[in-house]
Amino acid sequence: DIHMTQSPSSLSASVGDRVSITCRASHPISRYLNWYQQKPGKAPDLLIFAAAGLQTGVPSRFSGSGSGTDFTLTITSLQPEDFATYFCQQSYNTPHTFGQGTKLEI
Amino acid sequence: QVQLVQSGAEVKRPGASVKVSCKASGYTFTTYYIHWMRQAPGQGLEWMGIINPSTGTTSYSQKLQGRVTMTRDTSTTTVYMELSSLTSDDTAVYYCARDIVRGDLTWFDPWGQGTLVTVSS
Repeated sequence: DIHMTQSPSSLSASVGDRVSITCRASHPISRYLNWYQQKPGKAPDLLIFAAAGLQTGVPSRFSGSGSGTDFTLTITSLQPEDFATYFCQQSYNTPHTFGQGTKLEI
Repeated sequence: QVQLVQSGAEVKRPGASVKVSCKASGYTFTTYYIHWMRQAPGQGLEWMGIINPSTGTTSYSQKLQGRVTMTRDTSTTTVYMELSSLTSDDTAVYYCARDIVRGDLTWFDPWGQGTLVTVSS
């Protein structure tokens, strides 16, 4: 199985800040990397697909980059509604594995 | 709009089975595969398996092979996930999600709202 490691596991920030979350795969996965946002008690929502594709309706302050084993989710100018948990997920092969999550807190 | 609506919360005894449903609407049911994931309390997400609603073909995680069964009913555009021989380790929120494919890239969108399964004696 491909192991996905996110860092940091938690992050404190303020409205207006720029933050980055990294995700590292234990095996090269090209661009087969997606990012999801999850708010408490809710299902995950797709943010970024194929490492850098912005899902329809997601604000442009979210961006993704990377290829191979190292990937980054960047949020510029944090808004109050961005405080949530973020997961990366590889779709290179099955089982589709997820990172352990990064909790973004005020 | 595209929507996946799951069945309600369940409480089961150890050793029992649970069957969770996921009703699809707003798109052609047989065109998109459906994945199942679960999330234990305070934990990350675990992929459980995938079903092709057109053919019923399935693929399961090795960890759950032998305990999980995914089926579908095309007449009601519903997929089902049944997990047997439950233990407390199976207490989790279970999610279904639609598989989106572009070329050989794939992602999950949307997700169902989740179904809490609690295993307790």
